[in-house]
Amino acid sequence: NAGVTQTPKFQVLKTGQSMTLQCAQDMNHEYMSWYRQDPGMGLRLIHYSVGAGITDQGEVPNGYNVSRSTTEDFPLRLLSAAPSQTSVYFCASGRGQGHTEAFFGQGTRLTVV
Amino acid sequence: GDSVTQMEGPVTLSEEAFLTINCTYTATGYPSLFWYVQYPGEGLQLLLKATKADDKGSNKGFEATYRKETTSFHLEKGSVQVSDSAVYFCALSDRSNTDKLIFGTGTRLQVFP
Repeated sequence: NAGVTQTPKFQVLKTGQSMTLQCAQDMNHEYMSWYRQDPGMGLRLIHYSVGAGITDQGEVPNGYNVSRSTTEDFPLRLLSAAPSQTSVYFCASGRGQGHTEAFFGQGTRLTVV
Repeated sequence: GDSVTQMEGPVTLSEEAFLTINCTYTATGYPSLFWYVQYPGEGLQLLLKATKADDKGSNKGFEATYRKETTSFHLEKGSVQVSDSAVYFCALSDRSNTDKLIFGTGTRLQVFP
C-alpha cells in the first residue's frame, strides 16, 4: 500500500520554465489537495479537489493550475516558474469528511533560480 | 477567517523532560483539531486529533485536550525521547465536506540525550 506518492522529490527550474508536480494516491480518497511549506509560515493550501472533475482554489493559488481527471491523480502545474515559488510542496489526500486524517506525500523540494 | 497560532521554536529539551507546545485557534464554527508531526525529510503524519470540545486525543505518549473555553489544543508529553525530535504542527479543519486544513507555523522540537 503506497499511500500518497509524489514525484519528483527534488527539482531545479529556471525562471519562466513550466513543470508539473505529480501526485497519486491508492486509497480511493475523494479529497486531494496541494500545500506549500515555507519557513515560518507553516503549510498553506494552494488548490484542492473534492472528487474527479472538481477543483477549487485555496489560500495561495496564483501561478498554479490543477486538474482532476481521475480519483487517483492530482497534478500541480507551474505555468511560468518564479523565484517566489521556491518551496517544498506537499500533496495530501483524505476521505473528505472534515474530521478524518489527511495523508501526506513525502514532498517535492522545488528551487527556482 | 479561521487561524491557528502556535508557539515558536525551537524547543530544546533533555531526554525525559516534560513537553508542552501551546496552540490556540480562532474559528467561527466548531472545528476539528489536529496535531501533525514531520520527521526530517518526510511528509506530515497525524499524531492525534479531537473532534469536539473536551475530547482528549492521545498517541505515542502525547496528549492534547480540546478546550473550547480557551480555544486551545496544547500538546503535552510527560517524558520526551530523542526520537521525538521533529517539527509539530497544530491544525484545524472546518468540518465541511473537505479535509481542508489550516496550519500553525510549526514548532521544531530538539531532544538531546
